[in-house]
Amino acid sequence: DTGVSQDPRHKITKRGQNVTFRCDPISEHNRLYWYRQTLGQGPEFLTYFQNEAQLEKSRLLSDRFSAERPKGSFSTLEIQRTEQGDSAMYLCASSRGGQDGYGYTFGSGTRLTVV
Amino acid sequence: GQQLNQSPQSMFIQEGEDVSMNCTSSSIFNTWLWYKQEPGEGPVLLIALYKAGELTSNGRLTAQFGITRKDSFLNISASIPSDVGIYFCAGAFNQGGKLIFGQGTELSVKP
Repeated sequence: DTGVSQDPRHKITKRGQNVTFRCDPISEHNRLYWYRQTLGQGPEFLTYFQNEAQLEKSRLLSDRFSAERPKGSFSTLEIQRTEQGDSAMYLCASSRGGQDGYGYTFGSGTRLTVV
Repeated sequence: GQQLNQSPQSMFIQEGEDVSMNCTSSSIFNTWLWYKQEPGEGPVLLIALYKAGELTSNGRLTAQFGITRKDSFLNISASIPSDVGIYFCAGAFNQGGKLIFGQGTELSVKP
C-alpha cells in the first residue's frame, strides 16, 4: 500500500490550454474523491466516484471540468480552456466506503498555476 | 462553497502549552473529522467522530463530537514543534461521501 498517488505534482500552463491530472487510489478503496484547495482555504468538494460510477458533482465543477474513472481504479480530472481562477491545489482522496468511509486518505495534490 | 466556521484562524504558542480549536456549523452533521496539513502535502486524518457526544483521543490529541451535532473541538496537549501545521475540521451529512471543510487553524509552536 503506497498511499494515494497524484501526477503531476506541479503543472504550469498558459491560459486557454487543457490540462489533465491523474490519481491512483489505494488499491482496495472503491471510492475516489476530487477536491480543490486555494490558498488559505479548506479543500472544496468537486466530485466523487464509487467504483466507476460518478455519484455526485459539485456546482463548482463547471462544464470545463470533467472527471473519469473508467475501470474503477485510477481517475483523471481534465480542465479545458484553463482560466487564471483555476489556479489551485487539486487533491484526490480514496476510501473503502462504509462507516469508516470518511477516513479519507488524501494524496499530496497537484498544484496548478495558470499564467 | 459552503464551509464550516473554524476558530481561531491562527495560534502562536510556546512549546509545552495546550491548544484548543473548534468548529461550528449551522447544519447538523453525522460525522466530524479532524485533519492536519503541512506545506505542499495533502491533509492527514487525525481523528474521526461518528456519534454525537463522542470523545476520542489519539495520543496527545482529543476531539469531541458536539451533542447538538453542529460543533466539534480538538485539543492538543503539551504541544511540540512538530505539531506545527494547519488543522482542518470537516463534517459530513451522511454516508454520501462529501466532506465540508473549515477554513483551517494555523498552529505555530515556539521551542
